[in-house]
Amino acid sequence: DQQVKQNSPSLSVQEGRISILNCDYTNSMFDYFLWYKKYPAEGPTFLISISSIKDKNEDGRFTVFLNKSAKHLSLHIVPSQPGDSAVYFCAARSGGYQKVTFGIGTKLQVIP
Amino acid sequence: DTGVSQDPRHKITKRGQNVTFRCDPISEHNRLYWYRQTLGQGPEFLTYFQNEAQLEKSRLLSDRFSAERPKGSFSTLEIQRTEQGDSAMYLCASSLYGVGRDREAGTDTQYFGPGTRLTVL
Repeated sequence: DQQVKQNSPSLSVQEGRISILNCDYTNSMFDYFLWYKKYPAEGPTFLISISSIKDKNEDGRFTVFLNKSAKHLSLHIVPSQPGDSAVYFCAARSGGYQKVTFGIGTKLQVIP
Repeated sequence: DTGVSQDPRHKITKRGQNVTFRCDPISEHNRLYWYRQTLGQGPEFLTYFQNEAQLEKSRLLSDRFSAERPKGSFSTLEIQRTEQGDSAMYLCASSLYGVGRDREAGTDTQYFGPGTRLTVL
């Protein structure tokens, strides 16, 4: 049972344009959400997070939006750069538990 | 380098053998996590420690798996009688719980190591 779903296995975007990565979740107990980026042969790298008390969090070129009623979040990267090419994992946790549940990832390719 | 380190990076073993992996967390971090990632999937939680205490274990962690963090610093993950289905990337992560902005958020951010890729023949 996939509690965190990333339905797009891959995404290609031109350099300089916006990349939008989507994520849906089913567990209404989740109250903290994270995005990780992963390059080949490396572990996931923390990118940005958002608490369920917020609907937007911004860090430089990266913005995460949370729509609790739809159980949906998205990561926006503006402008996209070739170095952003990686697999992006959406992840979630519920406050009382330290277990983080990951989606299967979306592979982003930014074309120069 | 002050990040999370894991050793070995790659391990090839024959079915039925025992293997042990090591994780060294970021030095001041009090929490340490183990995850497993198979091809085409995201990392799956296995277990975590706060200091030396193992506080949560996934049902994925069968009795052939054991993890320790004896002095609250590095951790080991041992798999006994390996099976081909154990082939995966084993990821370690660490975090500093209860400090700074993570205290405000009521949670902590996990920082991952590069992983140990296990192949069971």
